[in-house]
Amino acid sequence: GIQVEQSPPDLILQEGANSTLRCNFSDSVNNLQWFHQNPWGQLINLFYIPSGTKQNGRLSATTVATERYSLLYISSSQTTDSGVYFCAVDGNTGKLIFGQGTTLQVKP
Amino acid sequence: DGGITQSPKYLFRKEGQNVTLSCEQNLNHDAMYWYRQDPGQGLRLIYYSQIVNDFQKGDIAEGYSVSREKKESFPLTVTSAQKNPTAFYLCASSIQGDILHFGNGTRLTVT
Repeated sequence: GIQVEQSPPDLILQEGANSTLRCNFSDSVNNLQWFHQNPWGQLINLFYIPSGTKQNGRLSATTVATERYSLLYISSSQTTDSGVYFCAVDGNTGKLIFGQGTTLQVKP
Repeated sequence: DGGITQSPKYLFRKEGQNVTLSCEQNLNHDAMYWYRQDPGQGLRLIYYSQIVNDFQKGDIAEGYSVSREKKESFPLTVTSAQKNPTAFYLCASSIQGDILHFGNGTRLTVT
C-alpha cells in the first residue's frame, strides 16, 4: 500500500517564527489532507489539497503531485499552533492513510 | 449543529470483555471510518464503510467488528480477541473523496 512519511518528527519554535512541514508519499494520490491535532486529541482539517496551493490565514499548503510531496507552511507561529500535524493521503482506494505526524511545540 | 458524536469519552473495561464504541453523525455523509491512535503514533485505519450495509477491513481489523445498518451510525466493537485494546479511538466521516471530519474520540482502557 501507499507509504506516507512526514518530517521533521519533532519541531520546537519560538513564538513568531516560521516553519515548513513536509509530507512525502510513495504513489499517485487523488486525495491529500492536512490535519492539526490539539493537545486534547481533537483533529481539525486544515487543507484538502491533492494538488496546487492554498492559503488560510497564517497557514498555507502546496502539493506537487508529480513529485509526490506536500508542504505545510506556518508563518508567525503562535502557542495555539502547538500540537501534532498529520498528512493523510488516498491513492483512489477510498481510505485515507495517515503519516506519523510532526509534533510542534511553540514556546512563548 | 452538524457533527460527529462519539460516546463515551472515556471507557474502562476488564480484559476478556467485549465493548462497543458509539459513533453517530448528522452530516448526511455516506462514508464513515474508524481509526486507532496509540501514544506518539499516527492514526491506523480499522474499518471503513462507503455505504449503508457495506464495510471493508482497514489495516488493523483483527479483533474488531463493525456494523452499518443506518447511514448515521457506525458502531465499533472491540472484542476479547484484540490483544492490545487500550488506545484512543477516532471515528470520522466524509462525502466520498472529500474532507474528513472527526469526532472527539473515545479513550479506551482495558485492565
